[in-house]
Amino acid sequence: SQQGEEDPQALSIQEGENATMNCSYKTSINNLQWYRQNSGRGLVHLILIRSNEREKHSGRLRVTLDTSKKSSSLLITASRAADTASYFCATDPYNNNDMRFGAGTRLTVKP
Amino acid sequence: DTGVSQNPRHKITKRGQNVTFRCDPISEHNRLYWYRQTLGQGPEFLTYFQNEAQLEKSRLLSDRFSAERPKGSFSTLEIQRTEQGDSAMYLCASSLVEGNEQFFGPGTRLTVL
Repeated sequence: SQQGEEDPQALSIQEGENATMNCSYKTSINNLQWYRQNSGRGLVHLILIRSNEREKHSGRLRVTLDTSKKSSSLLITASRAADTASYFCATDPYNNNDMRFGAGTRLTVKP
Repeated sequence: DTGVSQNPRHKITKRGQNVTFRCDPISEHNRLYWYRQTLGQGPEFLTYFQNEAQLEKSRLLSDRFSAERPKGSFSTLEIQRTEQGDSAMYLCASSLVEGNEQFFGPGTRLTVL
């Protein structure tokens, strides 16, 4: 069963703008991860944030985690056309041995 | 290229046939995962291995699905008596330890006619 829900389902922006995607989940987690998937390809890991962390940065990526609200956000700054892809959040629940993905946000960055 | 390979990349089969997919993880990774992904959805967890031990298989979609990792290295996923509803992308991933990032292969796209 899916655990995370990304919002919005689709996002279209101009190159240079920032893109923000949100993820909500239902159960307590060990960590939350964000992945990117180009059309028809495998997933690429972007960033992992642990349940005791609130914010993390990696290059143009900024991830926040609010465990009280069971939500996370991914911010991509100064977007590029190459950022066009689907973005998924995935949670690693306590006492479970699976990782649960949402349905993803499809980001289109127009040149 | 993440270092995880999957073969074949595409498989077309007729309903009722058996198919087997192979995944070669990153060599030092202990954990290996199988997922299914349908169009417009995120990956759906199927099963995972810690070395050669299959530690979770209750999420396999039916008893037609089975997976093995006989020597703790590569893994195979078999679907018996395929149905049209099995058409999907089957993804394999590996990780060094629990709770770490997973490295995904390119997937095997299955089409059941």
